[in-house]
Amino acid sequence: GQQVMQIPQYQHVQEGEDFTTYCNSSTTLSNIQWYKQRPGGHPVFLIQLVKSGEVKKQKRLTFQFGEAKKNSSLHITATQTTDVGTYFCAGLNTNAGKSTFGDGTTLTVKP
Amino acid sequence: ETGVTQTPRHLVMGMTNKKSLKCEQHLGHNAMYWYKQSAKKPLELMFVYNFKEQTENNSVPSRFSPECPNSSHLFLHLHTLQPEDSALYLCASSQDSWGLYTFGSGTRLTVV
Repeated sequence: GQQVMQIPQYQHVQEGEDFTTYCNSSTTLSNIQWYKQRPGGHPVFLIQLVKSGEVKKQKRLTFQFGEAKKNSSLHITATQTTDVGTYFCAGLNTNAGKSTFGDGTTLTVKP
Repeated sequence: ETGVTQTPRHLVMGMTNKKSLKCEQHLGHNAMYWYKQSAKKPLELMFVYNFKEQTENNSVPSRFSPECPNSSHLFLHLHTLQPEDSALYLCASSQDSWGLYTFGSGTRLTVV
């Protein structure tokens, strides 16, 4: 079945440092979504990428979808304490008819 | 308020109890989901409903019994649970079975 892997599992950074999480799928994806879950909260939709090689930005967050549509990354520039939480990717495989979540990357930021 | 409402927010139950979790959405979505999230573990998909029909049961023990009476409501009936079932249970909905997901705030379940 479809597998979506995320690395790293945990990342600890000093405030102001950059952060990147990577998402890799065993199959070609139709789209990929990213979610953020704050500590004690629930996952909240951030963005969806659909096109091969697509890059989208939200303030300090940059999202990329690979050319082969099998991988994606989320990069945060100059992290802030408000960035703490777990970031999940979810890849849609239309052949499988469903999206599969990665295991998430938990980010902690030291002030 | 996310548009997906889960009740109760917290639940403590004994292993012999029967309880139900409720999820409600008025976003006009056609797909609804139950996820289990344990401490330091990823999101585990439990059940998927599309247009009130169950389309996926991810090898969930029978002590968890879902019910979807209509496209707006989803229940998870619990009976004779084990302490390892203690977790955050998240309900989500999406327009169709392909995402984008809107999650509820979850029910924090503790089995004693």
